[in-house]
Amino acid sequence: KNEVEQSPQNLTAQEGEFITINCSYSVGISALHWLQQHPGGGIVSLFMLSSGKKKHGRLIATINIQEKHSSLHITASHPRDSAVYICAVWDTDKLIFGTGTRLQVFP
Amino acid sequence: EPEVTQTPSHQVTQMGQEVILRCVPISNHLYFYWYRQILGQKVEFLVSFYNNEISEKSEIFDDQFSVERPDGSNFTLKIRSTKLEDSAMYFCASSRYRGPNQPQHFGDGTRLSIL
Repeated sequence: KNEVEQSPQNLTAQEGEFITINCSYSVGISALHWLQQHPGGGIVSLFMLSSGKKKHGRLIATINIQEKHSSLHITASHPRDSAVYICAVWDTDKLIFGTGTRLQVFP
Repeated sequence: EPEVTQTPSHQVTQMGQEVILRCVPISNHLYFYWYRQILGQKVEFLVSFYNNEISEKSEIFDDQFSVERPDGSNFTLKIRSTKLEDSAMYFCASSRYRGPNQPQHFGDGTRLSIL
């Protein structure tokens, strides 16, 4: 069974700071997803990665398959980025979720 | 943009009662999922569903749970005899295709409170 761990659990930042959230998993995977959970609870898919790096606006996601590790970076953070960021790995027919990182960005 | 809709947004039920959570997936999607999130914990997989059959289910999805796609648009999760520990946020998700690089589209969830 794949174990998915994230760090840090909680993160506070000042507006404009560069943010890094880390995710590690225990068993080799086909793909890793990064998702955002809004304060109201809704979940939105941000990225799906099998290798390398993806960029969408101020968000960058990287994955190192050999090290079983992925990072999500937010450049020039903004208060509207405040949310819980979750990594999840694909396993057969489902996603296995990490514990999430709660990010708060202050003006 | 099409979205997954879930109703109700909040359901309060007495322990032992049956509850049905409803989801309308995106119309051309073929794969459907239920996940749950107990307050303060991580999101957990319950069940996946394709072609009117359960594809996979977790240990959580025991005999008190069932899923159904009764009319080609709705996808329901039924809990027959609710327990206090069933209190959680339940998320429905759907995807067009199956596979590791297919995005799953989530509804906003139903918060289930068992009294």
